Amino acid sequence: EDQVTQSPEALRLQEGESSSLNCSYTVSGLRGLFWYRQDPGKGPEFLFTLYSAGEEKEKERLKATLTKKESFLHITAPKPEDSATYLCAVHRDGAQKLVFGQGTRLTINP
Amino acid sequence: DGGITQSPKYLFRKEGQNVTLSCEQNLNHDAMYWYRQDPGQGLRLIYYSQIVNDFQKGDIAEGYSVSREKKESFPLTVTSAQKNPTAFYLCASGGHLPQETQYFGPGTRLLVL
Repeated sequence: EDQVTQSPEALRLQEGESSSLNCSYTVSGLRGLFWYRQDPGKGPEFLFTLYSAGEEKEKERLKATLTKKESFLHITAPKPEDSATYLCAVHRDGAQKLVFGQGTRLTINP
Repeated sequence: DGGITQSPKYLFRKEGQNVTLSCEQNLNHDAMYWYRQDPGQGLRLIYYSQIVNDFQKGDIAEGYSVSREKKESFPLTVTSAQKNPTAFYLCASGGHLPQETQYFGPGTRLLVL
């Protein structure tokens, strides 16, 4: 069965304190891994799509990387406005749907 | 502005009542999806449609129904058969291929009176 596990469940950082969020997956034939940001009471906002191991993408203070078993979302010098829940989802070959992890709730204290 | 709209933002359902959640997109996407989000759980797929006049059940379709009469619209009806409807409902749309990025609407929160 396809599984996506995100860790940690929650993370508190001080402003400027860099860290990484993890998304580990067990799917055969990965076709895409997706990162989203979700603010309370709102829909997820698309951040990145990664398609193959070794791929990296960056956007402002965020950098997403992908290996054959996991993806990391690196946050460099975060600001309080980076506080949100970050969701990871995977799509595998032959499937018609995404499988989502439970998310990591990130809080950045000023 | 291109995007996905959902209405209403909040919806209250009485016991035994059917309610319909609206989802409209102007991104010219072929595929549309409905997800349910509960606290502490990942998003779960209710229904999806890859083309007009065709749709498939997701993982938790019982108690829900959909229609896809227009490319832009994918309404979800929560029927009285859904015994635990309180949740945050999210509509998404994407390209024709399943591995293409899905974009989400702002969501509808459904509460039971």
